[in-house]
Amino acid sequence: QQQVKQSPQSLIVQKGGISIINCAYENTAFDYFPWYQQFPGKGPALLIAIRPDVSEKKEGRFTISFNKSAKQFSLHIMDSQPGDSATYFCAASTISGSARQLTFGSGTQLTVLP
Amino acid sequence: DTGVSQDPRHKITKRGQNVTFRCDPISEHNRLYWYRQTLGQGPEFLTYFQNEAQLEKSRLLSDRFSAERPKGSFSTLEIQRTEQGDSAMYLCASSLAQGRDNEQFFGPGTRLTVL
Repeated sequence: QQQVKQSPQSLIVQKGGISIINCAYENTAFDYFPWYQQFPGKGPALLIAIRPDVSEKKEGRFTISFNKSAKQFSLHIMDSQPGDSATYFCAASTISGSARQLTFGSGTQLTVLP
Repeated sequence: DTGVSQDPRHKITKRGQNVTFRCDPISEHNRLYWYRQTLGQGPEFLTYFQNEAQLEKSRLLSDRFSAERPKGSFSTLEIQRTEQGDSAMYLCASSLAQGRDNEQFFGPGTRLTVL
């Protein structure tokens, strides 16, 4: 089944804290797991992505943790800043036909308090 | 600006009217995608093109929806006989065909409100 479940729906964190967003998937054919950041009035922008052959990927303050056996992955934002306040979407992807088709989670609205 | 652009950014229409949206992808990208995003949800895939060929359509794309990419550059999405349920953000994305991950770059979207 093509479905990605994301939680929490909203998250409030103090400046400097750690933001954690979780996602779970069912389709074992998914082989690419990106996270997107969306600001109001803008389209989603790729933040960081991981493949299932690694358990963790870190880029600056952003880390993806991946648990293949549990079919779960999460985004950790270290030292959260007010500028990180946005909606975050996890996604999962597989090749469909000749192109990658993205299946998105429902999103997490993150608010980082100053 | 070298990003994906969409026009118009906002469209308000009455139920039953036809609307058309335009997407200009990043110039060297040969793949173009349309997504629909409703409030509080993630984007849902509608259709995609490789050059001018429409290669895949979601079951979400009813027969009132038609998309074209006549010269393999810009694309249009038309909705005929709009319904209130069509109210959503329509996002366009583009990517290169090469590369393992085919990263998709999104435009700012067209927000459609059907009264």
